[in-house]
Amino acid sequence: DTGVSQNPRHKITKRGQNVTFRCDPISEHNRLYWYRQTLGQGPEFLTYFQNEAQLEKSRLLSDRFSAERPKGSFSTLEIQRTEQGDSAMYLCASSPTDYNEKLFFGSGTQLSVL
Amino acid sequence: DAKTTQPPSMDCAEGRAANLPCNHSTISGNEYVYWYRQIHSQGPQYIIHGLKNNETNEMASLIITEDRKSSTLILPHATLRDTAVYYCIVSFRYNQGGKLIFGQGTELSVKP
Repeated sequence: DTGVSQNPRHKITKRGQNVTFRCDPISEHNRLYWYRQTLGQGPEFLTYFQNEAQLEKSRLLSDRFSAERPKGSFSTLEIQRTEQGDSAMYLCASSPTDYNEKLFFGSGTQLSVL
Repeated sequence: DAKTTQPPSMDCAEGRAANLPCNHSTISGNEYVYWYRQIHSQGPQYIIHGLKNNETNEMASLIITEDRKSSTLILPHATLRDTAVYYCIVSFRYNQGGKLIFGQGTELSVKP
């Protein structure tokens, strides 16, 4: 069990550029979640996959954000035309069940938009 | 919005018990109390959860009042490695989508 892996750990980009983050969940965890966390705040839910199906999206997920989970394995989160307000920590979590005590988080990708 | 209220920060001496309070006066009958913590530069980590009985595991104890409107997380012998933000979350156990709603949490500083 190597845990949830997120890459890159840090990303610096210029406003208007596109960025993509990757999350590799724990093997055989069929549920995968993306959260966003800004400084001093708790994580905020963005979206949720069960296998390859994206089942729920938060209102926080604007049209510039898209997430995929091809074949129900790793997931990617893409932000198009980044804005300074997108600067945050993007956290991925995976779970083998829908029980809340079974969420395992990665260490996140810290995005800085200049 | 988060359904819980926690103090923004607390200090604790190393080796002493850390008692972290949480108010959840609007909790419904089927909702559980969950505690997660987040050490700096890491993702949140599950600690413990409970419905109405007190719970204990290798990490902590959870004391829930009889009316279930508040709870306390107890770290019996705090170490420097317990310095983290602690989140108290109220949620149904089976949460389709698993979207736990985190508040701002309590920043616990364990001091030598």
